[in-house]
Amino acid sequence: AQSVTQLDSHVSVSEGTPVLLRCNYSSSYSPSLFWYVQHPNKGLQLLLKYTSAATLVKGINGFEAEFKKSETSFHLTKPSAHMSDAAEYFCVVSALFSGGYNKLIFGAGTRLAVHP
Amino acid sequence: EAEVAQSPRYKITEKSQAVAFWCDPISGHATLYWYRQILGQGPELLVQFQDESVVDDSQLPKDRFSAERLKGVDSTLKIQPAELGDSAMYLCASSPRLTWNTEAFFGQGTRLTVV
Repeated sequence: AQSVTQLDSHVSVSEGTPVLLRCNYSSSYSPSLFWYVQHPNKGLQLLLKYTSAATLVKGINGFEAEFKKSETSFHLTKPSAHMSDAAEYFCVVSALFSGGYNKLIFGAGTRLAVHP
Repeated sequence: EAEVAQSPRYKITEKSQAVAFWCDPISGHATLYWYRQILGQGPELLVQFQDESVVDDSQLPKDRFSAERLKGVDSTLKIQPAELGDSAMYLCASSPRLTWNTEAFFGQGTRLTVV
């Protein structure tokens, strides 16, 4: 069965310092993985996705993530945090279920706070 | 840029009343989802449509919730009767046709408060 675990429910950083949001996945086959961001009272926006091409994936707003099969991880990073990065971040795995359809399995989320 | 449209954005209703949410996916998207997101938690899939057919409603509380997508385009999610525990953000999303590497595009959501 496919699942995803976000290792930190809250992360706090100072503006200008690096960001690391951790995600581990479980999948019985080569997974497709996504990171979404959600600002308060907004819908979810796709940051980036991994689909078995390059293991280092670059996304919007300076974010990137590295797929590490040996560690079953897909951590999200950014070299320098900006105040506007404060939001909720979700790691997502695409899962195949009975009937031959895929569905998206969400992690519990990591709330990123950025301090001046 | 095409977007998923949802209405209303906010809804306050009394316990035991009926409430309905509407979603218009991006044109041409075959897959449509309704998610419920309780404050502080990740989205939970309520129902997934492929065209007009339901492919997953295993987490939908069918005694009070119903969803339809009659012509395979827009969709309505209904709750009757609403309970206090239904207070949440209801998110609609769509994708062209969900394969293993296809992302979903989300609407702004409907924030429901049951009083």
